[in-house]
Amino acid sequence: AQRVTQPEKLLSVFKGAPVELKCNYSYSGSPELFWYVQYSRQRLQLLLRHISRESIKGFTADLNKGETSFHLKKPFAQEEDSAMYYCALLTGGGNKLTFGTGTQLKVEL
Amino acid sequence: DGGITQSPKYLFRKEGQNVTLSCEQNLNHDAMYWYRQDPGQGLRLIYYSQIVNDFQKGDIAEGYSVSREKKESFPLTVTSAQKNPTAFYLCASSTTGAASYEQYFGPGTRLTVT
Repeated sequence: AQRVTQPEKLLSVFKGAPVELKCNYSYSGSPELFWYVQYSRQRLQLLLRHISRESIKGFTADLNKGETSFHLKKPFAQEEDSAMYYCALLTGGGNKLTFGTGTQLKVEL
Repeated sequence: DGGITQSPKYLFRKEGQNVTLSCEQNLNHDAMYWYRQDPGQGLRLIYYSQIVNDFQKGDIAEGYSVSREKKESFPLTVTSAQKNPTAFYLCASSTTGAASYEQYFGPGTRLTVT
């Protein structure tokens, strides 16, 4: 069965420090992975998808099929990056998302 | 103002009562979803619908029911059979096909059952 694992419930870093939010998956098919973000008092929203290979708000994520990982990275954390981050895997023949348990990122001054 | 709305924001019910949560969207999306969000457990899919008059069970459908009579609406009923109904419920919608991964979420309804 498909599964998305985010091992850290809370990640606290100082402003300007590098950030890496971990995500591992298990899936028998060809994986499509995404990061969703929820800022305080805002709705959950898509941050980025692995296929696009783009950088959004300074964040990047590379799909590593060998390690079944899709870690989210940013070289220099900003205060406005503080939020809840969810890793998600497209499953059900492309009809639904399986979410991880989420990581709360706190960027301290 | 386009988007997806959920009502009410807070809902309180007595144990043993069924309760229906509303979800409406004007994004012209074919697909709609219901999730349950509990601390430490992330989002878990309850039901989803790809088209009007059709829906599928998600990972935790027991104790819940849905209907999809209109494209814009996807109400969720939490029945008395749901053993632990107190939670935060999120509704989402998306297009179908290649862009179905981008789900648009509502603000959520916090249900408390005592």
